[in-house]
Amino acid sequence: QVQLVQSGTEMKKPGASVKVSCKASGYRFSSNGISWVRQAPGQGLEWVGWISAYNGNTNYAQKLQGRVTMTRDTSTSTAYMELRSLRSDDTAIYYCARDLGLQYDYWGQGTLVTVSS
Amino acid sequence: SSELTQDPAVSVALGQTVRITCQGDSLRTHYASWYQQKPGQAPVLVNYGKNNRPSGIPDRFSGSISGNTASLTITGAQAEDEADYYCNSRDSSANRVVFGGGTKLTVL
Repeated sequence: QVQLVQSGTEMKKPGASVKVSCKASGYRFSSNGISWVRQAPGQGLEWVGWISAYNGNTNYAQKLQGRVTMTRDTSTSTAYMELRSLRSDDTAIYYCARDLGLQYDYWGQGTLVTVSS
Repeated sequence: SSELTQDPAVSVALGQTVRITCQGDSLRTHYASWYQQKPGQAPVLVNYGKNNRPSGIPDRFSGSISGNTASLTITGAQAEDEADYYCNSRDSSANRVVFGGGTKLTVL
């Protein structure tokens, strides 16, 4: 069965970086993209960006452009999302999801990233 | 602000029908997908494209689109349908993805 398993909770100081992993199993990793979505406490869903697991092409939310980098390792079926220059308003649960083209059919369990001094 | 607009809250009596809407100019050319999220859980895809349901999603969840408005209809709402519902689609430039602000559904 398809599973996306994310790395654990992170606590960072403002200005630091965080890298969240998302390990996929149960399907051919390179066949689909991975999208990242975040959710601040008590808020709605916000699209962070997308990476093609096939060729590594990326597309990022405009507001995060320059601070976010998505990569993937096809040998381990793992996608990564790195966010730099963290601010308090980056505090959120970060989800990865298998992307079939706008429809995200499987989601990771979420990774809480807290940014606080 | 989101380019997809949803009503913040909607309520429905148990067993009745409710429609949750999502408005945006990009919906004139792109389908929406719909997600259900319960407290403390990851979202779940419930409908996408031209009214497609993933395996395991009850057929009481149906999707439609007209003009700039996409709708998720729950026919015969159940207590377990109480959740937040989000739509997503392309943004107005069609280059990126945007989510609606979400609708909190209460089943009375």
